[in-house]
Amino acid sequence: LAKTTQPISMDSYEGQEVNITCSHNNIATNDYITWYQQFPSQGPRFIIQGYKTKVTNEVASLFIPADRKSSTLSLPRVSLSDTAVYYCLEYGGSQGNLIFGKGTKLSVKP
Amino acid sequence: EAGVAQSPRYKIIEKRQSVAFWCNPISGHATLYWYQQILGQGPKLLIQFQNNGVVDDSQLPKDRFSAERLKGVDSTLKIQPAKLEDSAVYLCASSLDPPGLAGQNIQYFGAGTRLSVL
Repeated sequence: LAKTTQPISMDSYEGQEVNITCSHNNIATNDYITWYQQFPSQGPRFIIQGYKTKVTNEVASLFIPADRKSSTLSLPRVSLSDTAVYYCLEYGGSQGNLIFGKGTKLSVKP
Repeated sequence: EAGVAQSPRYKIIEKRQSVAFWCNPISGHATLYWYQQILGQGPKLLIQFQNNGVVDDSQLPKDRFSAERLKGVDSTLKIQPAKLEDSAVYLCASSLDPPGLAGQNIQYFGAGTRLSVL
C-alpha cells in the first residue's frame, strides 16, 4: 500500500510552470522526500530530494512545508521532453519502507 | 561514470519455465535493489541487499523467486517456475548510502528487463 498520494495525471503546455503535489500524511521523522522521473522503457531517474523548506537544483524545485505533510515538485518552463511519470517517495532507512505509488503522468503539449 | 547495467533487455518465456536476470550496479555502491514494475504501476520492491546480505525481502515471492549477490557486487534474480502474472519489467537499482542512514539513499536505476510470460 502506497504511503503517498499524488494526482494520477496532469496536462500542461510548453513553457508553463508545473507543480505536482504529493501528500505525506504518515511521514516519519527520519524520512526524506524524494522525487523520481520515469520515461517509457527506462528506469526511474532521481530528480530532487529534501527534508524541509525549499530545495532547488538545475532541474526542479521542491517545496516542503513545516508540517511535512505534503511536498510540491515544481518544474519551471516545461518542454515536450518533460512528458513522463513522476513519483514521490518517502524513505528513512527502515525495512519495508521503500514504496512507490502509481505516480503522476505529466503530459506536456505544444 | 557507468550506470547500472542490466541484461537481457527483453525476455519471452512460456509459463512454468525458468528465467534469470543479471544486474551490475554502479561501482562502489553497497546497496542493491530489485524491483518489479507491472504496466501502469509504480515499481514494487522485491529485495534489497546491503553488500551481499539481504536487508529486506518481505515482498519477494520466495516459493518461486530467488536472488543472490555474490561478493557484494553483481546480482542475479531468478524466477522458477514463471507464471503469467510475472510478466513485468524487472528493474535493478543501486545506491551509495546504506540502509539505516536517515535520508539520502538516492537510487540509480538500470533500464530494466521486460519479461513476457506466455
